Amino acid sequence: ETGVTQTPRHLVMGMTNKKSLKCEQHLGHNAMYWYKQSAKKPLELMFVYNFKEQTENNSVPSRFSPECPNSSHLFLHLHTLQPEDSALYLCASSQEGQGTTGELFFGEGSRLTVL
Amino acid sequence: AQSVAQPEDQVNVAEGNPLTVKCTYSVSGNPYLFWYVQYPNRGLQFLLKYITGDNLVKGSYGFEAEFNKSQTSFHLKKPSALVSDSALYFCAVRDPYNNAGNMLTFGGGTRLMVKP
Repeated sequence: ETGVTQTPRHLVMGMTNKKSLKCEQHLGHNAMYWYKQSAKKPLELMFVYNFKEQTENNSVPSRFSPECPNSSHLFLHLHTLQPEDSALYLCASSQEGQGTTGELFFGEGSRLTVL
Repeated sequence: AQSVAQPEDQVNVAEGNPLTVKCTYSVSGNPYLFWYVQYPNRGLQFLLKYITGDNLVKGSYGFEAEFNKSQTSFHLKKPSALVSDSALYFCAVRDPYNNAGNMLTFGGGTRLMVKP
């Protein structure tokens, strides 16, 4: 148990579907992240939220839409995805600010398959 | 810009033998360095970190890592490997003086295979 919970763990969707991934952290952290992990590729940082404000968007296609309603919850809304979007989506959190070291704590991931 | 290199895609070692997983980094100032492990179909788990002080840091599951500033390296080590150590290992670096964001840069990962 890492203190970061992701649901669902597995998701299969068609290209025309709309679905959402959810992440909740119980660590009292003030920053949350979405990463994409594809086979044979490095970890890709998608979005960063600090104190609920989006501070990073690494040229992610608009078919991925993040939402951070509060510092404990993070969503990734998915719409008209492509088969190449199939991957493991990892949520992470960290405590940011003076005196912190910023290590990330990851959830178990949501394995997404786009048909 | 900060970067991390893990030069080996895979490391094979026999159970009971010492293991080393290599990591080199590039950062403008003094780095914060991290190692993570990922078991199949799981998220990344934090193993250990170097922030300052003693160059040899100890972490979970008997792992340790040595910070070498002159060689800009942070190799992960364990004196005696277990089959259960077989996993994907990621090195990561952060420049604490970078005000552009709280960015951890990850290496490409090294698969460790420990054979009985």
